[in-house]
Amino acid sequence: GENVEQHPSTLSVQEGDSAVIKCTYSDSASNYFPWYKQELGKGPQLIIDIRSNVGEKKDQRIAVTLNKTAKHFSLHITETQPEDSAVYFCAASTMGTGNQFYFGTGTSLTVIP
Amino acid sequence: DTAVSQTPKYLVTQMGNDKSIKCEQNLGHDTMYWYKQDSKKFLKIMFSYNNKELIINETVPNRFSPKSPDKAHLNLHINSLELGDSAVYFCASSLPGQIYEQYFGPGTRLTVT
Repeated sequence: GENVEQHPSTLSVQEGDSAVIKCTYSDSASNYFPWYKQELGKGPQLIIDIRSNVGEKKDQRIAVTLNKTAKHFSLHITETQPEDSAVYFCAASTMGTGNQFYFGTGTSLTVIP
Repeated sequence: DTAVSQTPKYLVTQMGNDKSIKCEQNLGHDTMYWYKQDSKKFLKIMFSYNNKELIINETVPNRFSPKSPDKAHLNLHINSLELGDSAVYFCASSLPGQIYEQYFGPGTRLTVT
């Protein structure tokens, strides 16, 4: 099955700086890559996603890039704010597997005011 | 309006007991999931149901039995609880078919003593 690795496990940045979280996946058939944000005591919430026919997607301060050849994808958060502090999860999914998500191990992001 | 709801939010019980966690979604989705998040925040799929039919069943002890009375509900029943069952359990739902965003509930923190 799919194996998703995520780095770093913890990340601290100063407010206003950028944060980058990287994930790699093993199954070349994976074609959907969502990113979820989990705040303390809450369920994960989708913040951005990308499909394998797209190399980059941006939504305001958040962007995701995908390199299918290298089998890695990254989350970029610019102009970080304290409310960006949370645990971020990447995931990979393969068409035909019943929408099964394989999650990375999570990155705890702290934005220091 | 709550999209995916779970009850209870917290559940503390003793080893050997049987307990249930309920999940309901009002999004009109056909597919529902149960995830387990361990103390290291790792999110792992347990089960997935599509329109009341089981479609994903990961390697989960048969003490765990999902039940879907209708497509808006997916309950999780756990028999003979063990210490290792302590975790946060998340229910999620999505549209049926190939690959779609999964909407997560707020989670149920289960503590087995």
